[in-house]
Amino acid sequence: GAGVSQSPRYKVTKRGQDVALRCDPISGHVSLYWYRQALGQGPEFLTYFNYEAQQDKSGLPNDRFSAERPEGSISTLTIQRTEQRDSAMYRCASSLNTGELFFGEGSRLTVL
Amino acid sequence: GENVEQHPSTLSVQEGDSAVIKCTYSDSASNYFPWYKQELGKRPQLIIDIRSNVGEKKDQRIAVTLNKTAKHFSLHITETQPEDSAVYFCAASGTGFQKLVFGTGTRLLVSP
Repeated sequence: GAGVSQSPRYKVTKRGQDVALRCDPISGHVSLYWYRQALGQGPEFLTYFNYEAQQDKSGLPNDRFSAERPEGSISTLTIQRTEQRDSAMYRCASSLNTGELFFGEGSRLTVL
Repeated sequence: GENVEQHPSTLSVQEGDSAVIKCTYSDSASNYFPWYKQELGKRPQLIIDIRSNVGEKKDQRIAVTLNKTAKHFSLHITETQPEDSAVYFCAASGTGFQKLVFGTGTRLLVSP
């Protein structure tokens, strides 16, 4: 597609359930980033990949969060045993490694 | 790690006035400083960026200045228009555009 695609756009889940958020980056973009954005706040770095290699995962809040990009294209962010504090907009971005990040529309997660 | 602070959090101006948003960063190794605009309900989009080898960059009504010694950079918007109303985020990262750290955002409101 022409832009970064994320799914689902909206996810409502009960506390304790696992969720998987998917990101399909712009074709040819080698770098892929995951950010979390709370309402009224700036994007908070979670992790990023170059091709299939996870280069930095220092922003993942705890071990319930994980991400993968097995073939260097589509990426999945997984949150296990969700908690209410995990509720946020999760944004994926991709880049040609020129600096500019192209963000997706985001996946809004609500944990009840 | 890098920490980016942004001021003011809100800014109201009359159409035609200038607007200035300021950011400071903590990591002297940072060398890439982009600005993103996020309209209500939309994804963040890059509007201008500057690298540490220059002190100022201009693109029509917007300009960014960088003071590496003081570790601060600013966004200047001249002749503001109502369509400039949005949240603006500054950010900083080091070599290789790895971990882009965002500020907390400035909500700009331009009144006709």
